[in-house]
Amino acid sequence: AQSVTQLDSQVPVFEEAPVELRCNYSSSVSVYLFWYVQYPNQGLQLLLKYLSGSTLVKGINGFEAEFNKSQTSFHLRKPSVHISDTAEYFCAVSRMDSNYQLIWGAGTKLIIKP
Amino acid sequence: NAGVTQTPKFQVLKTGQSMTLQCAQDMNHNSMYWYRQDPGMGLRLIYYSASEGTTDKGEVPNGYNVSRLNKREFSLRLESAAPSQTSVYFCAIRSRGTGDHEQYFGPGTRLTVT
Repeated sequence: AQSVTQLDSQVPVFEEAPVELRCNYSSSVSVYLFWYVQYPNQGLQLLLKYLSGSTLVKGINGFEAEFNKSQTSFHLRKPSVHISDTAEYFCAVSRMDSNYQLIWGAGTKLIIKP
Repeated sequence: NAGVTQTPKFQVLKTGQSMTLQCAQDMNHNSMYWYRQDPGMGLRLIYYSASEGTTDKGEVPNGYNVSRLNKREFSLRLESAAPSQTSVYFCAIRSRGTGDHEQYFGPGTRLTVT
């Protein structure tokens, strides 16, 4: 069975500092990997995705993530955060053989301190 | 959230009442999904529909029914609401096209059952 673990429920960081949000997954088959962002009282929006190819993926709003197959990780990074990045971030995994259903992590709240 | 609409945005029900949450898309995608989001638990799949006329159970289907009468609409019904169904409900869609495995979300319905 698949699972997705987001290791931190909250990450406080000062404005303009770098941030890393961690995501690990377990799966016996190949997967696609996603990061979504949810701003307060809104739906979810895709930040970036890894389907194949380069393991470093760039997304919207200056975010990037690196797929590490040996460590089964897909950590999200941004070199300098802004107050507008305050949101909850979700990592999700889709098996290639399961009608592409998404398995979700519990989410990480990014809290930007001024 | 462009292309996926959900109604209503908010709803308060008393225990035992019934209601239907509506989801409609204008992106001509085949797959549609219903999730519930609860604090600290990420998103959990209730039901999904791979195509018009077909539906399948997800992780937490008990207490819910769905209907996919046409390609555009996918409704979620609570026959007898319980306080445990207090949650935010999201509808999502996905294309079957190759290279496009992400899901697009609606704005959500906040349901409170008292």
